[in-house]
Amino acid sequence: QVQLVQSGAEVKMPGASVRVSCEASGYRFRSYGFTWVRQAPGQGLEWMGWINVYNGDTNYARKLQGRVTMTADTSTNTAYMDLRSLRNDDTAVYYCARDSGGSYLDHWGQGTLVTVSS
Amino acid sequence: EIVLTQSPGTLSLSPGERATLSCRASQSVTSNNVAWYQHTPGRAPRLLIYGGSRRATGIPDRFSGSGSGTDFTLTITRLESEDFAVYYCQHLGLTFGGGTKVEI
Repeated sequence: QVQLVQSGAEVKMPGASVRVSCEASGYRFRSYGFTWVRQAPGQGLEWMGWINVYNGDTNYARKLQGRVTMTADTSTNTAYMDLRSLRNDDTAVYYCARDSGGSYLDHWGQGTLVTVSS
Repeated sequence: EIVLTQSPGTLSLSPGERATLSCRASQSVTSNNVAWYQHTPGRAPRLLIYGGSRRATGIPDRFSGSGSGTDFTLTITRLESEDFAVYYCQHLGLTFGGGTKVEI
């Protein structure tokens, strides 16, 4: 069965960077893209961006461009989300999700809490 | 950029009742590109409906999606205790609506 397993919680200082990983299993990794979504405390779901695993194409939310990079390693079936210059308002639970053809997200990771605090 | 507006913000209902959740797009969209998710605190979001009206694998038939153009609806007939959660619509795997909380 499809499984997405994310890396553990992180605590970072403002200005630092964080990398969240998402290891996939149970399907052909290169056949699907990944979307990253976050949820800040008390807020709704926020779309962060998407990566086409097959060719590496990416599309990032305008507000995060310049600070976020999404990659995928086909040798380890793992997707990564790097966020730089962290701010307090980047504190959130970050989710990876399998993008099933570009119109819906059919499997989700368990979420990774990133706390940004001095 | 398409904006999705969900209403109401909160829906207070009892088990066994019917829930009707609305999602309005800022411009006409193709229903094939509308999805609905359920999000329970402490858990990952779960895909309920894709393609506007198709139930995802394992989703009970008390959940149904409908709509076209700018107006889309998620209906939950006969609410069960595990259905009390926050529901989000999404367009094209991108923009999410602000969510509707279904509470007891």
